[in-house]
Amino acid sequence: DAGVIQSPRHEVTEMGQEVTLRCKPISGHDYLFWYRQTMMRGLELLIYFNNNVPIDDSGMPEDRFSAKMPNASFSTLKIQPSEPRDSAVYFCASSRQGWETQYFGPGTRLLVL
Amino acid sequence: AQSVTQLGSHVSVSEGALVLLRCNYSSSVPPYLFWYVQYPNQGLQLLLKYTSAATLVKGINGFEAEFKKSETSFHLTKPSAHMSDAAEYFCAVSRGGTSYGKLTFGQGTILTVHP
Repeated sequence: DAGVIQSPRHEVTEMGQEVTLRCKPISGHDYLFWYRQTMMRGLELLIYFNNNVPIDDSGMPEDRFSAKMPNASFSTLKIQPSEPRDSAVYFCASSRQGWETQYFGPGTRLLVL
Repeated sequence: AQSVTQLGSHVSVSEGALVLLRCNYSSSVPPYLFWYVQYPNQGLQLLLKYTSAATLVKGINGFEAEFKKSETSFHLTKPSAHMSDAAEYFCAVSRGGTSYGKLTFGQGTILTVHP
């Protein structure tokens, strides 16, 4: 299996622009997680899905952030409008079941100018 | 609520020396505990996990960790460091049950291995 796939790997955008991050989980995995990693706040869980349904979005910073999972093989994390403080590495992870190992993608490094 | 404290943001050892990375947790319920490793420009990889079975957990690459409830600790050790162990290590806690996948991570410890 190719593992968790994220795109783009790097994104540079200007403040106010819309940013869309994409994730393809490992086939057969029912859980998908979005994390954000920054120097100041470390690694934070933003939201996770089970069978394409959002289970817990309490980590989503504010209404500018939204996440969707239209099918079992694709998820997006959207920031609109983006701000410089959103600059971070965003990771997607998936697991077969909630209690099983989470496999992380390589991350998307976002820079908002 | 669960939380994790990793003592020491940087640890430096010589090749062949003992590796000890410290993690203390806080949890209102019996916790599930994890150690992950992150190599530069990569995602996290699971080293090992404690899920209320044996208190001494063996993981990949020769690492192991011991769950000590009385000390609320889950320190990571490796008897002999290798250059390839240089990376950042994260301790994480989950409350288990239906929230098993909801991990809370520590701030990370960067391990440097000197020749």
